[in-house]
Amino acid sequence: AQSVTQLGSHVSVSEGALVLLRCNYSSSVPPYLFWYVQYPNQGLQLLLKYTTGATLVKGINGFEAEFKKSETSFHLTKPSAHMSDAAEYFCAVSETNSGNTPLVFGKGTRLSVIA
Amino acid sequence: NAGVTQTPKFRVLKTGQSMTLLCAQDMNHEYMYWYRQDPGMGLRLIHYSVGEGTTAKGEVPDGYNVSRLKKQNFLLGLESAAPSQTSVYFCASSTRQSNQPQHFGDGTRLSIL
Repeated sequence: AQSVTQLGSHVSVSEGALVLLRCNYSSSVPPYLFWYVQYPNQGLQLLLKYTTGATLVKGINGFEAEFKKSETSFHLTKPSAHMSDAAEYFCAVSETNSGNTPLVFGKGTRLSVIA
Repeated sequence: NAGVTQTPKFRVLKTGQSMTLLCAQDMNHEYMYWYRQDPGMGLRLIHYSVGEGTTAKGEVPDGYNVSRLKKQNFLLGLESAAPSQTSVYFCASSTRQSNQPQHFGDGTRLSIL
């Protein structure tokens, strides 16, 4: 069974600094991986996803993530944080042969951006 | 583009009351899901459906029932609300392909006194 661990329930960065949100997964088969963002009082929005092909995936709002099979990781990064990036971020995994099995989500990381 | 619409957006109930949350999607998605979100707990799957007339239990199904009579609608029912069910409830939908993302509604904030 797959699982997702997000290291750090709360990350705080200064405006303009690098954003790094960590996600590790476990899966018995090649995974599909997703990052979602949740702004206050809203639902989750897809930031980016990895399915096959290039391991460095670019998403919306300048975010990107790299799939590293050897490290079972899919960390989310952004070179320069903006105040509008303050939100909660969720990593999720799906197995390639999951059939009807839903996504498994991590517990989320709240990102604060300090002016 | 409506996407996934949840009704109502807010509700306050008294312990023991019943209510139904409605989720509607206009993307012709086969799969639909109900989650609850609590501080520090992330998203926890309550029930899901892989097609009209079919439902399955998720991680935290106790105290909830669901129905999928029409492909576009997924109902979540609380028969006898308890304070532990105070939460934010999210509905999502997706195609049957596991490499495709889920699309989420804006949530229903439910308080049970």
